[in-house]
Amino acid sequence: AQTVTQSQPEMSVQEAETVTLSCTYDTSESDYYLFWYKQPPSRQMILVIRQEAYKQQNATENRFSVNFQKAAKSFSLKISDSQLGDAAMYFCAYRRWGDMRFGAGTRLTVKP
Amino acid sequence: GAVVSQHPSWVICKSGTSVKIECRSLDFQATTMFWYRQFPKQSLMLMATSNEGSKATYEQGVEKDKFLINHASLTLSTLTVTSAHPEDSSFYICSATAGANTQYFGPGTRLTVL
Repeated sequence: AQTVTQSQPEMSVQEAETVTLSCTYDTSESDYYLFWYKQPPSRQMILVIRQEAYKQQNATENRFSVNFQKAAKSFSLKISDSQLGDAAMYFCAYRRWGDMRFGAGTRLTVKP
Repeated sequence: GAVVSQHPSWVICKSGTSVKIECRSLDFQATTMFWYRQFPKQSLMLMATSNEGSKATYEQGVEKDKFLINHASLTLSTLTVTSAHPEDSSFYICSATAGANTQYFGPGTRLTVL
C-alpha cells in the first residue's frame, strides 16, 4: 500500500523568507502523481502544485516549487517570499489510479 | 478552475436521525467522487470512492450501511449518515475528479450529533 510521510508536524518561517516542507512516499509503481494541497483555517482544500512522476522537470507555480527526487521517493515543497496568507496546513498527497493518499500534514506559521 | 460545492456547510442533528450531505461538481462532469472524513488537527481519511451509476467502494473499517453513498449523476454524489451518533461528529469533505488525476475539493460539511 502506498504511504505518504510528512515528518514535520509544524514549521515556521519569517515573512518574505523561504521555507521547505518535506514529504516522502512509498510506492512500487513508476507512474503516479504527487500533489501539495493547502488547507487554511476555512478548511477548504486548495491545490498548490502537482507533479507527474514521468516528468523529470520539477513543477513550479509562481512562488511554489517542488524538488522531486523519484529514486529517493521524496517530494518537497519550497515556498519562496513567504506571505502571511501562506499560513495553513499543508498536505502532501500521492495518487496513481483512484483515490488519493495524504500525509499527516505540516502546519506552517508565517511570522510578520 | 473546477469548482465543487457541498451542502450543507454545517449541520446539527439529534442522535438517531439521518443526515444527507450533497456534493456537486459545478462546472465539470465528475466521473469519480470521493468522500473523506477529517478529525480536528488530523489528515483526511478516505471513506469511500463513488463512480457514477455504480456502487461505492468503501475503505476498510467504514460501515457501508451507516454511510450510504449515492452517485446518481456525473455532477452529484450524496453521503447519508444513517442513525447518527455523537461519534459520527466530524468534518466531511468530498472531492471530484474530471479524469486529469487532480482532485478538486468541496468546502466541507461540519456535522455535529447531539
